[in-house]
Amino acid sequence: ETGVTQTPRHLVMGMTNKKSLKCEQHLGHNAMYWYKQSAKKPLELMFVYNFKEQTENNSVPSRFSPECPNSSHLFLHLHTLQPEDSALYLCASSQEVKAGETQYFGPGTRLLVL
Amino acid sequence: GESVGLHLPTLSVQEGDNSIINCAYSNSASDYFIWYKQESGKGPQFIIDIRSNMDKRQGQRVTVLLNKTVKHLSLQIAATQPGDSAVYFCAENRPTGNQFYFGTGTSLTVIP
Repeated sequence: ETGVTQTPRHLVMGMTNKKSLKCEQHLGHNAMYWYKQSAKKPLELMFVYNFKEQTENNSVPSRFSPECPNSSHLFLHLHTLQPEDSALYLCASSQEVKAGETQYFGPGTRLLVL
Repeated sequence: GESVGLHLPTLSVQEGDNSIINCAYSNSASDYFIWYKQESGKGPQFIIDIRSNMDKRQGQRVTVLLNKTVKHLSLQIAATQPGDSAVYFCAENRPTGNQFYFGTGTSLTVIP
């Protein structure tokens, strides 16, 4: 295993629901990331946190709200999602946000929006 | 726009043969590259990396080759095994920050 865990592994929600995805890394890293992976498309970077501070928001709709209470935990709060938001959501971590730092991924949360 | 791409979306190889997966990148300033393996139902798993000051790097049964002249990256898997069946991504890291750009992946199927 990579040392990055995500819960839940699978989630089905309606468009009016509110849910949260959780990521935890046990690697002592200081940077954490959320990615969206849709079928037959490259991974899309959503958010980046470095030392608990958000450093990147890749024009993500406000129905996705990240939270990083400490360097080991990252959440993605979901509300009023659309069916096209159905995808695999991957969390990753690296030592810090710096060129040349390897990112390690969690197993992902498979999200289905009905 | 600039993107990381793979030459072939699918690859089938006989068990025991060697596999070669290719990747083209378009940003000549990129200086760090990673190959990831993603099995069904799992997240991408780090396989091997290479920095732009190297042409070749070897791991256990895997070799990555970097040709900066033509902006091409390849992953060679020796004696391919059924457990190697997965989607393989290359990722390109540009020097301004730690944002990686990923290809869509090549699906490798190993035939027993």
